[in-house]
Amino acid sequence: AQTVTQSQPEMSVQEAETVTLSCTYDTSESDYYLFWYKQPPSRQMILVIRQEAYKQQNATENRFSVNFQKAAKSFSLKISDSQLGDAAMYFCAYRSPNAGGTSYGKLTFGQGTILTVHP
Amino acid sequence: DAGVTQSPTHLIKTRGQQVTLRCSPISGHKSVSWYQQVLGQGPQFIFQYYEKEERGRGNFPDRFSARQFPNYSSELNVNALLLGDSALYLCASSLGPSGSYEQYFGPGTRLTVT
Repeated sequence: AQTVTQSQPEMSVQEAETVTLSCTYDTSESDYYLFWYKQPPSRQMILVIRQEAYKQQNATENRFSVNFQKAAKSFSLKISDSQLGDAAMYFCAYRSPNAGGTSYGKLTFGQGTILTVHP
Repeated sequence: DAGVTQSPTHLIKTRGQQVTLRCSPISGHKSVSWYQQVLGQGPQFIFQYYEKEERGRGNFPDRFSARQFPNYSSELNVNALLLGDSALYLCASSLGPSGSYEQYFGPGTRLTVT
C-alpha cells in the first residue's frame, strides 16, 4: 500500500517571502499522480498543483511550483511571493492511475502542514 | 457552473443513531468518492462509486455504506454511530473512476456524535 508522509506539522512565512513544504511517499508503482491540495478554514479542499510521475519536468502554477524527485520519492511544494490568502492546511496526496481491487481512484493523503503567513 | 454540493453542512447525532449524508456531483461527472477527515488529519478514503456501482472501498467497517443514484448523486450512510465517527465527511466528484481524472471536492459535512 502507498503511504504519504508530511514531516512538517506547521510552517510559517513572512508575506512576500518563499516557503517550501516537504512531502515523501512510498510506492512500488512506476506510474502515478501526485497532488498538493490546500484546505483553508472554510474546509473546501482546493487543488493547487498536479504532477504526473512520467513527466520529468516539474509542474508550475503561477506562484506554486514543485520539486519532484522520483528516485528519492520526494515531492515538495514551493510557494513564492507568499500572500495572506495562502494561509491554510496543505495536503500532499498520491493516486494510482488505474489501481485494481479496492483502491480504484483512491487518493492517499499525508497528515497535512499548517501554513501561517505573517504580514 | 455549480461545484460539488453536500448536505447538510453540519449535524449532531447521538451514539447508536444512523445518519445519511448527501452529495451532488458537478454536472457531467459520473464518479463520486467519499472521504472521512478527522480533525487535524488528512482525509481517509471510504468509497468510490461510478455508474451506480461501487468501484473502490477503503478500510472502514460495514456500518458505512453508500449508493449512487441514476442522476449520479450519492448518499453515504453510517449506522450505529460511535463517538469516533465524528469527523468532516468530504465528497469528491470526477468525470470517471480512473486515477487520471481530477477529483473536485465539496465543502463537506461536519458530523458530531455525542
